[in-house]
Amino acid sequence: KAGVTQTPRYLIKTRGQQVTLSCSPISGHRSVSWYQQTPGQGLQFLFEYFSETQRNKGNFPGRFSGRQFSNSRSEMNVSTLELGDSALYLCASSDQASGGASGELFFGEGSRLTVL
Amino acid sequence: GQSLEQPSEVTAVEGAIVQINCTYQTSGFYGLSWYQQHDGGAPTFLSYNALDGLEETGRFSSFLSRSDSYGYLLLQELQMKDSASYFCAVRDNTGGFKTIFGAGTRLFVKA
Repeated sequence: KAGVTQTPRYLIKTRGQQVTLSCSPISGHRSVSWYQQTPGQGLQFLFEYFSETQRNKGNFPGRFSGRQFSNSRSEMNVSTLELGDSALYLCASSDQASGGASGELFFGEGSRLTVL
Repeated sequence: GQSLEQPSEVTAVEGAIVQINCTYQTSGFYGLSWYQQHDGGAPTFLSYNALDGLEETGRFSSFLSRSDSYGYLLLQELQMKDSASYFCAVRDNTGGFKTIFGAGTRLFVKA
């Protein structure tokens, strides 16, 4: 079974631009969560989607948004990029909300965004 | 809100045992999980405790005490390949399910 796939793996943008990141979950998984990872900050929760509905959102400004499609693929968008948005953006999938009874999230390799 | 505390760094010798502690604060606690992440890699799931007690998976064990809002990950017979970052994470149901991660513990295993 294929794992979680994130595209693009690396990208460089300039301040003020916007970016869209894509995540394809494991087949059959309906939950997709997004995290921002920066050195020393761990994984900061952005949002979680389940069956095309945003179920929860972290403490990020409105410039960060996302959506989930009927095939469970998800995208996140960051508008008006700032230097501080440089980070590794990780996507995780699970068959039930937030890992379900097993608590297990399956992570992709991430999209590394650099904002210049 | 939710918060998790874990040590930033731990150093141990190959073959030894190391314990990484995690304390958490949340009002909608459902379970505590642990993830391992090697440099440049994706976090990978190690264990999940929803009930009090010890769960053992090979060289790794994880413990939870819900009354103390505390858990730990125990790594035995340390190997060089165990050098990585370890994250505790709370599955929380405040305003809907989500998993919140700690800042991570960097484990250095020395020969």
